[in-house]
Amino acid sequence: EAGVTQSPTHLIKTRGQQATLRCSPISGHTSVYWYQQALGLGLQFLLWYDEGEERNRGNFPPRFSGRQFPNYSSELNVNALELEDSALYLCASSLTTYTGELFFGEGSRLTVL
Amino acid sequence: GQNIDQPTEMTATEGAIVQINCTYQTSGFNGLFWYQQHAGEAPTFLSYNVLDGLEEKGRFSSFLSRSKGYSYLLLKELQMKDSASYLCAGTDSNYQLIWGAGTKLIIKP
Repeated sequence: EAGVTQSPTHLIKTRGQQATLRCSPISGHTSVYWYQQALGLGLQFLLWYDEGEERNRGNFPPRFSGRQFPNYSSELNVNALELEDSALYLCASSLTTYTGELFFGEGSRLTVL
Repeated sequence: GQNIDQPTEMTATEGAIVQINCTYQTSGFNGLFWYQQHAGEAPTFLSYNVLDGLEEKGRFSSFLSRSKGYSYLLLKELQMKDSASYLCAGTDSNYQLIWGAGTKLIIKP
């Protein structure tokens, strides 16, 4: 069974540009979570989608947005990129609508120059 | 407020035992998770405690005290491959995970 897949693996952008990151959850999982992990820091919760709806968002500005598609895959968009957006962006999926055990993808490393 | 505290870094010797502590303060509580994250890799699930007591799983055990807002992860017979960051995460009343910053465990021969 395929795990959580994320693309791209690495992405380099310049300040002010937009970045789009994609995530495919494990088959059958309806909940998708996005986290930001800056170098040396813990996981910071960004967004939670379930059944196509945004259920919760973390303490991030509105330029961080996303969506979940009917097939439960998800997309994270970061507009007006800033240097401090450079981080590993992790997507995780879970089987149930409450947190339960999360299964993480390998992440997308975003570098903003 | 909601907070998860764990030590930043610990060092232990191959073959020894190490205990990584975690204290939590969440609005409501629905269990505590431990994840392992090797450098450059995704976190992987280790354990979940929702009731007080010790859960043993091979060389790894996790303990929870709800009354004290305290958990620990116990690693026995340490191996070099156990060098990783160990993330503690508590679930709040909305079942959202609140993550600690992680404890980097360094294993020395």
